[in-house]
Amino acid sequence: GDSVTQMEGPVTLSEEAFLTINCTYTATGYPSLFWYVQYPGEGLQLLLKATKADDKGSNKGFEATYRKETTSFHLEKGSVQVSDSAVYFCALSDQGGSYIPTFGRGTSLIVHP
Amino acid sequence: SAVISQKPSRDICQRGTSLTIQCQVDSQVTMMFWYRQQPGQSLTLIATANQGSEATYESGFVIDKFPISRPNLTFSTLTVSNMSPEDSSIYLCSVEWDSRDEQYFGPGTRLTVT
Repeated sequence: GDSVTQMEGPVTLSEEAFLTINCTYTATGYPSLFWYVQYPGEGLQLLLKATKADDKGSNKGFEATYRKETTSFHLEKGSVQVSDSAVYFCALSDQGGSYIPTFGRGTSLIVHP
Repeated sequence: SAVISQKPSRDICQRGTSLTIQCQVDSQVTMMFWYRQQPGQSLTLIATANQGSEATYESGFVIDKFPISRPNLTFSTLTVSNMSPEDSSIYLCSVEWDSRDEQYFGPGTRLTVT
């Protein structure tokens, strides 16, 4: 079945550092790929998405590129802020199936001033 | 996008009791979902709730433990029945918006069972 693997956290960075959170996936079809973010005490919010190979999703300075050859969708940001501290979830949904996403375990990001 | 609210936002309950969680959406949506997020874990889908039909439960979840109602296109409830400490989790409702593959989530209900 479909699955998503994320790097384990927490990831601890200083403000203005470069961020990478790795995500790889296994899927039988051609999934859409997502990053969701969960700020403390809140529900998940869609951060960005990509629906086909080589697509780049971007939002709020975050980017991720759909790499079919490496089955990856790594999240990057050039300069993190304290307000980016949250849990980040990589997810996929099978475009040929039910669209219900499969989530990774989440990666906690802590940004220090 | 959809705006989703949940009630209560948190509760502390005694074992053996039941809690009903409400989910309200500001627009009509076809599919609503209920998830459980245990501490430090990812989201686990409990069930899919479509208006006018029985909820569809995922493996490991049963209607007697987690009865769901979906009386209209903007509202759903999830009941956690006969609670035990293992039911302590965050419960999230979500909706699929505009038939796309994106989901929008409510803020969650943080449940602690003592």
